[in-house]
Amino acid sequence: SQTIHQWPATLVQPVGSPLSLECTVEGTSNPNLYWYRQAAGRGLQLLFYSVGIGQISSEVPQNLSASRPQDRQFILSSKKLLLSDSGFYLCAWSGPRAGAETQYFGPGTRLLVL
Amino acid sequence: AQSVTQLGSHVSVSEGALVLLRCNYSSSVPPYLFWYVQYPNQGLQLLLKYTSAATLVKGINGFEAEFKKSETSFHLTKPSAHMSDAAEYFCAVSDLYSSASKIIFGSGTRLSIRP
Repeated sequence: SQTIHQWPATLVQPVGSPLSLECTVEGTSNPNLYWYRQAAGRGLQLLFYSVGIGQISSEVPQNLSASRPQDRQFILSSKKLLLSDSGFYLCAWSGPRAGAETQYFGPGTRLLVL
Repeated sequence: AQSVTQLGSHVSVSEGALVLLRCNYSSSVPPYLFWYVQYPNQGLQLLLKYTSAATLVKGINGFEAEFKKSETSFHLTKPSAHMSDAAEYFCAVSDLYSSASKIIFGSGTRLSIRP
């Protein structure tokens, strides 16, 4: 069966510091991968998605970037965090073929920028 | 373009009462529709999905949803609410024709259960 991991679970960072959040998927190959942000009391905002290694599409211009160095690894980064980067970050995957319409989510990372 | 509207950002019901969470969608192509549930400080869990088979879809935890094309609705129901059902619920539609099967989420409905 497939599983998706995110770490860290919680992170407190000062403004201006760098960020690296990691997401890995097990039990599948060539998944589509997604990063979402959920601000307090609000819905989900798609930040980035990737259909393959090195292929990143950005949905919203912002202070963040994403990379996919390996097939089942997706990284969210920032060089200098802003207060507005605080939120709950969710990684998700979907299959490349059958069942590709369904996304499955990781446990999330709670980021607080102070 | 596809979109999803969830009616009511907060719904409160008594334990044992009917749960009804409303969702309307807009899509120019046959949609795939989903309901996800999110418990506090957790990721989203798939409750059920409609993929053009039976219009009445049964999911986990006793939930079900009915696809009504004429009303462009996909409302979520549960006959008898349990305290453990308290969570945030998201309706979503899949844009399968995009390059990466993106999902469009509604703004969510917070379900509270009164003892």
